[in-house]
Amino acid sequence: KQEVTQIPAALSVPEGENLVLNCSFTDSAIYNLQWFRQDPGKGLTSLLLIQSSQREQTSGRLNASLDKSSGRSTLYIAASQPGDSATYLCAVLFYGNNRLAFGKGNQVVVIP
Amino acid sequence: SAVISQKPSRDICQRGTSLTIQCQVDSQVTMMFWYRQQPGQSLTLIATANQGSEATYESGFVIDKFPISRPNLTFSTLTVSNMSPEDSSIYLCSARRDKGETQYFGPGTRLLVL
Repeated sequence: KQEVTQIPAALSVPEGENLVLNCSFTDSAIYNLQWFRQDPGKGLTSLLLIQSSQREQTSGRLNASLDKSSGRSTLYIAASQPGDSATYLCAVLFYGNNRLAFGKGNQVVVIP
Repeated sequence: SAVISQKPSRDICQRGTSLTIQCQVDSQVTMMFWYRQQPGQSLTLIATANQGSEATYESGFVIDKFPISRPNLTFSTLTVSNMSPEDSSIYLCSARRDKGETQYFGPGTRLLVL
Protein backbone atom coordinates (compact mmCIF):
# COMPACT_ATOMS: atom_id res chain seq x y z
CA LYS A 1 0.00 0.00 0.00
CA GLN A 2 1.31 3.46 -0.90
CA GLU A 3 1.35 5.58 2.24
CA VAL A 4 2.91 8.80 3.46
CA THR A 5 3.78 9.37 7.11
CA GLN A 6 4.75 12.53 8.97
CA ILE A 7 5.93 12.36 12.56
CA PRO A 8 5.55 14.09 14.94
CA ALA A 9 2.04 15.44 14.46
CA ALA A 10 2.93 18.65 16.30
CA LEU A 11 6.07 20.41 17.44
CA SER A 12 7.18 23.73 18.90
CA VAL A 13 10.51 25.47 18.41
CA PRO A 14 11.94 28.75 19.70
CA GLU A 15 12.31 31.54 17.19
CA GLY A 16 15.65 31.44 15.40
CA GLU A 17 16.10 27.69 15.58
CA ASN A 18 16.23 25.62 12.42
CA LEU A 19 13.12 23.53 11.74
CA VAL A 20 13.49 19.96 10.52
CA LEU A 21 10.38 18.15 9.30
CA ASN A 22 10.41 14.55 8.17
CA CYS A 23 8.28 12.68 5.66
CA SER A 24 8.45 8.97 4.90
CA PHE A 25 6.79 7.00 2.13
CA THR A 26 6.35 3.31 1.55
CA ASP A 27 7.15 2.93 -2.17
CA SER A 28 10.25 4.30 -3.87
CA ALA A 29 8.56 4.35 -7.29
CA ILE A 30 7.50 7.99 -7.31
CA TYR A 31 7.09 10.77 -9.88
CA ASN A 32 7.71 13.54 -7.40
CA LEU A 33 7.19 14.81 -3.88
CA GLN A 34 5.69 18.12 -2.87
CA TRP A 35 5.75 20.09 0.38
CA PHE A 36 2.82 22.37 1.23
CA ARG A 37 2.03 24.86 3.93
CA GLN A 38 -1.49 25.31 5.30
CA ASP A 39 -2.61 28.10 7.62
CA PRO A 40 -5.72 27.49 9.76
CA GLY A 41 -8.92 27.55 7.70
CA LYS A 42 -7.03 28.25 4.47
CA GLY A 43 -6.04 26.39 1.34
CA LEU A 44 -2.65 24.83 0.67
CA THR A 45 0.35 26.80 -0.53
CA SER A 46 2.94 24.87 -2.51
CA LEU A 47 6.43 25.34 -1.06
CA LEU A 48 8.68 23.00 -3.03
CA LEU A 49 8.37 20.29 -5.66
CA ILE A 50 11.12 17.67 -5.94
CA GLN A 51 11.19 15.43 -8.99
CA SER A 52 12.19 11.79 -8.52
CA SER A 53 15.48 12.44 -10.30
CA GLN A 54 16.45 15.26 -7.92
CA ARG A 55 18.13 15.09 -4.51
CA GLU A 56 17.05 18.50 -3.21
CA GLN A 57 15.31 21.78 -3.92
CA THR A 58 15.86 25.16 -2.32
CA SER A 59 13.77 28.30 -2.06
CA GLY A 60 14.95 31.07 0.23
CA ARG A 61 15.12 29.72 3.79
CA LEU A 62 13.56 26.42 2.71
CA ASN A 63 15.44 23.35 1.59
CA ALA A 64 13.91 19.98 0.87
CA SER A 65 15.86 16.78 0.33
CA LEU A 66 14.73 13.51 -1.21
CA ASP A 67 16.14 10.02 -0.67
CA LYS A 68 14.01 7.66 -2.72
CA SER A 69 15.88 4.52 -1.77
CA SER A 70 15.10 5.01 1.91
CA GLY A 71 11.68 6.51 1.24
CA ARG A 72 12.37 9.80 3.00
CA SER A 73 12.19 13.52 2.48
CA THR A 74 13.21 16.26 4.88
CA LEU A 75 12.10 19.88 4.86
CA TYR A 76 14.54 22.31 6.51
CA ILE A 77 13.46 25.82 7.44
CA ALA A 78 16.41 27.94 8.48
CA ALA A 79 16.20 30.53 11.26
CA SER A 80 12.53 29.98 12.01
CA GLN A 81 10.20 32.93 12.56
CA PRO A 82 6.77 33.18 14.22
CA GLY A 83 5.29 33.59 10.74
CA ASP A 84 6.44 30.05 9.94
CA SER A 85 3.83 28.72 12.35
CA ALA A 86 1.51 26.56 10.23
CA THR A 87 0.79 22.96 9.28
CA TYR A 88 3.25 21.48 6.79
CA LEU A 89 2.03 18.70 4.53
CA CYS A 90 4.09 16.26 2.50
CA ALA A 91 2.48 14.73 -0.60
CA VAL A 92 3.80 12.05 -2.94
CA LEU A 93 2.78 11.23 -6.50
CA PHE A 94 3.39 7.51 -6.80
CA TYR A 95 3.80 5.72 -10.13
CA GLY A 96 0.54 4.27 -11.36
CA ASN A 97 -1.48 7.10 -9.77
CA ASN A 98 -2.77 10.47 -10.88
CA ARG A 99 -3.53 11.64 -7.37
CA LEU A 100 -1.29 12.86 -4.58
CA ALA A 101 -0.97 10.79 -1.41
CA PHE A 102 -0.84 13.12 1.61
CA GLY A 103 0.68 12.73 5.03
CA LYS A 104 -1.33 13.95 8.00
CA GLY A 105 0.96 16.95 8.43
CA ASN A 106 3.27 18.49 11.03
CA GLN A 107 1.64 21.30 13.02
CA VAL A 108 4.45 23.75 13.82
CA VAL A 109 4.47 26.55 16.37
CA VAL A 110 7.44 28.93 16.43
CA ILE A 111 7.65 30.58 19.84
CA PRO A 112 8.79 34.22 19.88
CA SER B 1 2.21 28.92 -11.52
CA ALA B 2 -1.55 28.68 -11.49
CA VAL B 3 -3.96 30.78 -9.46
CA ILE B 4 -7.18 29.10 -8.39
CA SER B 5 -10.26 30.88 -7.11
CA GLN B 6 -13.34 29.36 -5.50
CA LYS B 7 -16.83 30.67 -4.90
CA PRO B 8 -18.35 30.89 -2.37
CA SER B 9 -15.59 31.19 0.20
CA ARG B 10 -17.99 30.08 2.92
CA ASP B 11 -21.63 29.26 3.42
CA ILE B 12 -24.09 28.14 6.06
CA CYS B 13 -26.76 25.81 4.70
CA GLN B 14 -29.80 23.98 5.96
CA ARG B 15 -30.02 20.22 6.09
CA GLY B 16 -31.48 18.70 2.92
CA THR B 17 -30.45 21.51 0.58
CA SER B 18 -27.67 21.52 -2.04
CA LEU B 19 -24.73 23.84 -2.64
CA THR B 20 -22.67 24.25 -5.80
CA ILE B 21 -19.05 25.34 -5.45
CA GLN B 22 -17.30 26.90 -8.40
CA CYS B 23 -13.59 26.61 -9.19
CA GLN B 24 -11.79 28.80 -11.72
CA VAL B 25 -8.15 28.40 -12.78
CA ASP B 26 -6.34 31.29 -14.44
CA SER B 27 -4.77 29.03 -17.07
CA GLN B 28 -5.58 25.78 -18.85
CA VAL B 29 -4.82 22.66 -16.84
CA THR B 30 -5.02 18.98 -17.62
CA MET B 31 -6.09 17.75 -14.22
CA MET B 32 -8.55 19.16 -11.70
CA PHE B 33 -9.40 17.60 -8.36
CA TRP B 34 -11.86 18.10 -5.52
CA TYR B 35 -10.85 17.43 -1.92
CA ARG B 36 -12.60 17.53 1.43
CA GLN B 37 -10.91 18.43 4.70
CA GLN B 38 -12.84 17.79 7.87
CA PRO B 39 -11.86 19.67 11.03
CA GLY B 40 -8.45 18.65 12.30
CA GLN B 41 -7.98 16.11 9.52
CA SER B 42 -5.82 15.82 6.44
CA LEU B 43 -7.18 16.03 2.92
CA THR B 44 -9.42 13.39 1.39
CA LEU B 45 -9.78 13.22 -2.38
CA ILE B 46 -13.41 13.19 -3.50
CA ALA B 47 -12.92 12.90 -7.25
CA THR B 48 -10.89 13.81 -10.30
CA ALA B 49 -12.82 16.14 -12.60
CA ASN B 50 -12.41 15.04 -16.21
CA GLN B 51 -12.96 17.50 -19.02
CA GLY B 52 -15.74 16.36 -21.29
CA SER B 53 -16.52 13.16 -19.41
CA GLU B 54 -17.79 11.89 -16.08
CA ALA B 55 -15.66 12.48 -13.01
CA THR B 56 -13.67 9.66 -11.45
CA TYR B 57 -14.81 9.16 -7.85
CA GLU B 58 -12.79 7.77 -4.96
CA SER B 59 -14.06 4.99 -2.77
CA GLY B 60 -16.81 6.23 -0.48
CA PHE B 61 -17.92 9.09 -2.75
CA VAL B 62 -20.73 8.81 -5.31
CA ILE B 63 -21.97 10.92 -8.16
CA ASP B 64 -25.49 11.31 -6.77
CA LYS B 65 -24.11 12.95 -3.63
CA PHE B 66 -21.25 14.93 -5.22
CA PRO B 67 -22.04 15.66 -8.88
CA ILE B 68 -19.13 17.34 -10.65
CA SER B 69 -18.97 19.23 -13.91
CA ARG B 70 -15.94 20.24 -15.94
CA PRO B 71 -17.02 21.96 -19.13
CA ASN B 72 -13.55 23.19 -20.15
CA LEU B 73 -9.87 23.22 -19.14
CA THR B 74 -10.17 26.08 -16.63
CA PHE B 75 -13.46 25.58 -14.78
CA SER B 76 -15.18 22.99 -12.62
CA THR B 77 -18.07 22.78 -10.17
CA LEU B 78 -18.77 20.48 -7.24
CA THR B 79 -22.28 20.14 -5.86
CA VAL B 80 -22.88 18.83 -2.38
CA SER B 81 -26.39 17.38 -2.53
CA ASN B 82 -28.99 16.71 0.14
CA MET B 83 -26.64 18.02 2.80
CA SER B 84 -26.41 16.79 6.37
CA PRO B 85 -24.31 18.14 9.26
CA GLU B 86 -21.69 15.47 8.45
CA ASP B 87 -20.96 17.35 5.22
CA SER B 88 -19.64 20.32 7.18
CA SER B 89 -16.07 20.64 5.93
CA ILE B 90 -13.66 22.69 3.89
CA TYR B 91 -13.93 21.78 0.20
CA LEU B 92 -10.80 22.43 -1.84
CA CYS B 93 -10.32 22.61 -5.57
CA SER B 94 -6.91 21.67 -6.95
CA ALA B 95 -5.27 21.62 -10.36
CA ARG B 96 -2.15 20.44 -12.12
CA ARG B 97 -0.99 20.98 -15.69
CA ASP B 98 0.74 17.65 -16.02
CA LYS B 99 1.91 14.73 -13.92
CA GLY B 100 5.39 16.09 -13.31
CA GLU B 101 4.31 19.57 -12.35
CA THR B 102 3.34 21.42 -9.21
CA GLN B 103 -0.19 20.87 -7.95
CA TYR B 104 -1.97 24.04 -6.83
CA PHE B 105 -4.87 24.53 -4.48
CA GLY B 106 -7.67 27.02 -4.20
CA PRO B 107 -8.43 28.88 -0.96
CA GLY B 108 -11.22 26.49 -0.05
CA THR B 109 -14.94 26.75 0.63
CA ARG B 110 -15.94 26.46 4.29
CA LEU B 111 -19.32 24.80 4.55
CA LEU B 112 -21.42 24.55 7.70
CA VAL B 113 -24.61 22.50 7.55
CA LEU B 114 -27.17 23.06 10.28
